[in-house]
Amino acid sequence: DAKTTQPPSMDCAEGRAANLPCNHSTISGNEYVYWYRQIHSQGPQYIIHGLKNNETNEMASLIITEDRKSSTLILPHATLRDTAVYYCIVRVGPGGNKLVFGAGTILRVKS
Amino acid sequence: GAVVSQHPSRVICKSGTSVKIECRSLDFQATTMFWYRQFPKQSLMLMATSNEGSKATYEQGVEKDKFLINHASLTLSTLTVTSAHPEDSSFYICSATGGRVLLYVEFFGPGTRLTVL
Repeated sequence: DAKTTQPPSMDCAEGRAANLPCNHSTISGNEYVYWYRQIHSQGPQYIIHGLKNNETNEMASLIITEDRKSSTLILPHATLRDTAVYYCIVRVGPGGNKLVFGAGTILRVKS
Repeated sequence: GAVVSQHPSRVICKSGTSVKIECRSLDFQATTMFWYRQFPKQSLMLMATSNEGSKATYEQGVEKDKFLINHASLTLSTLTVTSAHPEDSSFYICSATGGRVLLYVEFFGPGTRLTVL
């Protein structure tokens, strides 16, 4: 599976949009982009996933560039409860290989 | 929907004893369940993958005789840490996927904090 690169940490003001970038320049045509987050001392929470089209659900939006080499997770109105480690994972799917978690991005939402 | 539970949430045991952790999919049938381990300030590491009714597939470096996995039904998987030692102290997390019905997404349990004294 393709590797991903994320910034180690980001800060965001409460109420503002949080834009978390992810680079996956070696992504293959059949690989999906998944986003999970982990709040301290809890199991990871699924956020969203996509192949090539932009996706939106009740939690977030996923914007994938046309060449699919990078993507951005957008939390439209960040709250303090969104403070967590956010993982961008690329894997063959659906139902493909295992999820490989990297270091992720620590998002700190501040009041 | 897509809720995964784990029990217990926290366990403390003496060195040399065995500990069993349960993972249940509460509102869906899990075609596959996964077990992860997470040490402090580190990311999740996959330990094994299990399908109902078949033997688990362990990742390289994970001792299958030490970490016994049983996937007896489509809603229950158990992880038994045998002869636990202090170095086995960690955060153990399970996940489950419901197959095509749930778009093959993995849903995670809340985790079990194991402390071996």
